[in-house]
Amino acid sequence: KQEVTQIPAALSVPEGENLVLNCSFTDSAIYNLQWFRQDPGKGLTSLLLIQSSQREQTSGRLNASLDKSSGRSTLYIAASQPGDSATYLCAVRGKTSGSRLTFGEGTQLTVNP
Amino acid sequence: SAVISQKPSRDICQRGTSLTIQCQVDSQVTMMFWYRQQPGQSLTLIATANQGSEATYESGFVIDKFPISRPNLTFSTLTVSNMSPEDSSIYLCSVLWSNTEAFFGQGTRLTVV
Repeated sequence: KQEVTQIPAALSVPEGENLVLNCSFTDSAIYNLQWFRQDPGKGLTSLLLIQSSQREQTSGRLNASLDKSSGRSTLYIAASQPGDSATYLCAVRGKTSGSRLTFGEGTQLTVNP
Repeated sequence: SAVISQKPSRDICQRGTSLTIQCQVDSQVTMMFWYRQQPGQSLTLIATANQGSEATYESGFVIDKFPISRPNLTFSTLTVSNMSPEDSSIYLCSVLWSNTEAFFGQGTRLTVV
C-alpha cells in the first residue's frame, strides 16, 4: 500500500527566503506526482505535475524534482512571499492503485512579512 | 486543463438531514472522484463516480450514507445522508484530465450542528 509522507509538517520563514518542502513515497511504481496548494477552507490548486519519466518541472518561482528510485520529491520555492502562505500537498498516482491519488499530510507554510 | 464548479461552497446543516453537493466540469471527463477532508487532516477518497453505472466506494464508505450520481460526463452529485457532527468536513470533487493531471473544485465546507 502506497504511503506518502511530507516533512516538515509546518514551516515558518521570513519573506524573501528560499525554501524546500519534502515528500517521500514508499512504492516507486507511479504514473506521476503532483504538488498542490490549499488555502484554508478551500479546494486544491494544482501547482506542478511531474511524470514518472521526468526529473523536474518548473513554473515561475516553483521548481519540483522527482527521484523515483529513492521515492522522493522536493518542491523548491524561491524568494518566498506572504502570498505563498498556504498548505502544500503532494500526491502520487500509483500504478497499483488505478487512478487513485494518495496524498501526504501536507506542509503548512507561513511566510512572514 | 479542466475548470470545476462546485456548490454550495459552504453550508451549516442540522443533524439528521441530508445535503447534496454538485460538481460541474467545463468539459467531458471520464474519471470523477469525491474526497473528504476532515479538520486538520489530508484528503481521503470516498468514491469514484462512474458515468452510467454505480459509483465505486472505498473501504469505510457506503452508498447508503454517500449516494453519488453521475448522469453524464460533465456532472456529478454527492449526497451526505442522515448527517451527524462527525460529517463536518470539506468535501471536494476532482477530475482526472487527459488521464494524467488531477484538478479539484473549490470544495464544500460542511458544518453539522
